Amino acid sequence: DADVTQTPRNRITKTGKRIMLECSQTKGHDRMYWYRQDPGLGLQLIYYSFDVKDINKGEISDGYSVSRQAQAKFSLSLESAIPNQTALYFCATSDPGLDSTDTQYFGPGTRLTVL
Amino acid sequence: LAKTTQPISMDSYEGQEVNITCSHNNIATNDYITWYQQFPSQGPRFIIQGYKTKVTNEVASLFIPADRKSSTLSLPRVSLSDTAVYYCLVGDPGNYGQNFVFGPGTRLSVLP
Repeated sequence: DADVTQTPRNRITKTGKRIMLECSQTKGHDRMYWYRQDPGLGLQLIYYSFDVKDINKGEISDGYSVSRQAQAKFSLSLESAIPNQTALYFCATSDPGLDSTDTQYFGPGTRLTVL
Repeated sequence: LAKTTQPISMDSYEGQEVNITCSHNNIATNDYITWYQQFPSQGPRFIIQGYKTKVTNEVASLFIPADRKSSTLSLPRVSLSDTAVYYCLVGDPGNYGQNFVFGPGTRLSVLP
């Protein structure tokens, strides 16, 4: 969905480096999510935010942190990247107040490789 | 949150109808059933959502029996482009303190 953008789209980094992945949305949604997907597997929720003042840990938050700078922006940081964090990362948005189905709209993904 | 169980993978041929069943034995009264589709290297996208009986849209149908402990996503006359992973999620979209959870999904392969 072009209303949800992620930068960078691809990133190669080295073990121990700090990395930030950014997500922006123009849908006006309150909720934003960060997911991780390993090859051949489903999505795992890292963090989610129901509004600017609300941040919640997901299933696999260890090694990650987030910042909700504004309604439209939600950043994911890897403080000290390690090889098993190599994965495809997706940002998503939703808003049950605007859409009763609470559909999540996903960005194009960021492919992160940690050497 | 209700746990869901669905087959890991399925194969089909072009032109056939495909039915993917999802089990959710502990579904709550206010929970809805939602299905997403994911193509390789893309984010999932919403297909259909229902609460009970049958829901149909231009892409698929969703059948939910009276006890709501399972649901079946039906894709009519699949084509090669329907090869994707399909996720079944259960949750209450009206519960502002809850979010839907993605499981491993069902990998559908459509063969020529």
